[in-house]
Amino acid sequence: ETGVTQTPRHLVMGMTNKKSLKCEQHLGHNAMYWYKQSAKKPLELMFVYNFKEQTENNSVPSRFSPECPNSSHLFLHLHTLQPEDSALYLCASSQDRGDPAEEQFFGPGTRLTVL
Amino acid sequence: GQNIDQPTEMTATEGAIVQINCTYQTSGFNGLFWYQQHAGEAPTFLSYNVLDGLEEKGRFSSFLSRSKGYSYLLLKELQMKDSASYLCAVIDSNYQLIWGAGTKLIIKP
Repeated sequence: ETGVTQTPRHLVMGMTNKKSLKCEQHLGHNAMYWYKQSAKKPLELMFVYNFKEQTENNSVPSRFSPECPNSSHLFLHLHTLQPEDSALYLCASSQDRGDPAEEQFFGPGTRLTVL
Repeated sequence: GQNIDQPTEMTATEGAIVQINCTYQTSGFNGLFWYQQHAGEAPTFLSYNVLDGLEEKGRFSSFLSRSKGYSYLLLKELQMKDSASYLCAVIDSNYQLIWGAGTKLIIKP
């Protein structure tokens, strides 16, 4: 238990569906991250929020839309996804974005399958 | 481009010692992390190195040589629960975290 929870743990969706992934952290952290993890590939950073403000968007397609209503919650809204978007989506948090030496605390991920 | 290289998979025997290597070519260096990820679970922090040398933490040790762009994670007295993927990540000069693809470690009895 890392203090970061993600729901759902598994999601299967069609290309025309709209769904949302939820992440919640109970650590009092100010920075939250979305990552994509594909088999045998490095973690890909998608979005970063620091104090509820989006600070990074690493050229992620617009079919992925993040939302951070407060420092404890992070959402990833999905629409018209492609089969190649199937992957494990990990949420992480850290105290804040300023110190690169801070460890990140990860949630267990949502295993997404796009049919 | 920026690159982190780790072996894809390694196999070791319970009770033995294994060394997982990580080499990196990045634009600058501000530290290196090792994370452990069991199948279907969250990555968890193992170590952080920013200075050259060996950092020991129980059965796990992490070594860094900045001049060689090289790190390794040393696991002693291997246990079956050590079967997991081990992720190496480097902080570059822009304070971006560059991840390796991970090394899957299989422990056999």
